Amino acid sequence: AQRVTQPEKLLSVFKGAPVELKCNYSYSGSPELFWYVQYSRQRLQLLLRHISRESIKGFTADLNKGETSFHLKKPFAQEEDSAMYYCALGMTGGGNKLTFGTGTQLKVEL
Amino acid sequence: ETGVTQSPTHLIKTRGQQVTLRCSSQSGHNTVSWYQQALGQGPQFIFQYYREEENGRGNFPPRFSGLQFPNYSSELNVNALELDDSALYLCASSLYVESDTQYFGPGTRLTVL
Repeated sequence: AQRVTQPEKLLSVFKGAPVELKCNYSYSGSPELFWYVQYSRQRLQLLLRHISRESIKGFTADLNKGETSFHLKKPFAQEEDSAMYYCALGMTGGGNKLTFGTGTQLKVEL
Repeated sequence: ETGVTQSPTHLIKTRGQQVTLRCSSQSGHNTVSWYQQALGQGPQFIFQYYREEENGRGNFPPRFSGLQFPNYSSELNVNALELDDSALYLCASSLYVESDTQYFGPGTRLTVL
């Protein structure tokens, strides 16, 4: 069975500090991994996907198959990064049928 | 370009009743997925529709059913409502069935009393 684990419900950092949101997955096949973000009073939106290896809003995430992890990182947190972040795993046969983690609330304090 | 819309915004039903939730996909998107998000949890995949056919289903009982129409809009129907069905129901559309980018709607908050 597919499973996504985000161990932290809440992560609080100071502005300018590095951020790392943890995500571990369990999947027997070749994973497709995503980070989705939900800002206050906005809808869920795609932040980045591992396959494109892009950096969005300063965030990056590297897929580590050995550790089955896909941690989200940003070197310097900004106040506007405060949001709910969900790690998601694409299901077998369809990258857009997603298994989500329980989410991590990131709070960036001044 | 119009984003994904869902109706109604909120809904209150009693146990045993039936409910229909509606979703209009983003313009040109032919694939619609439905998710259930319980309080404090991440979204959970219910099923996906592509060109009016079900194209994958999560671990939900048959009383959760859906439809997709020729204009790609979609409905989620839930029969014999249970208290645990109380959740935010999200609809997401994607341009193609192979697309890995989904665009989510604002959700419908269902409360079952």
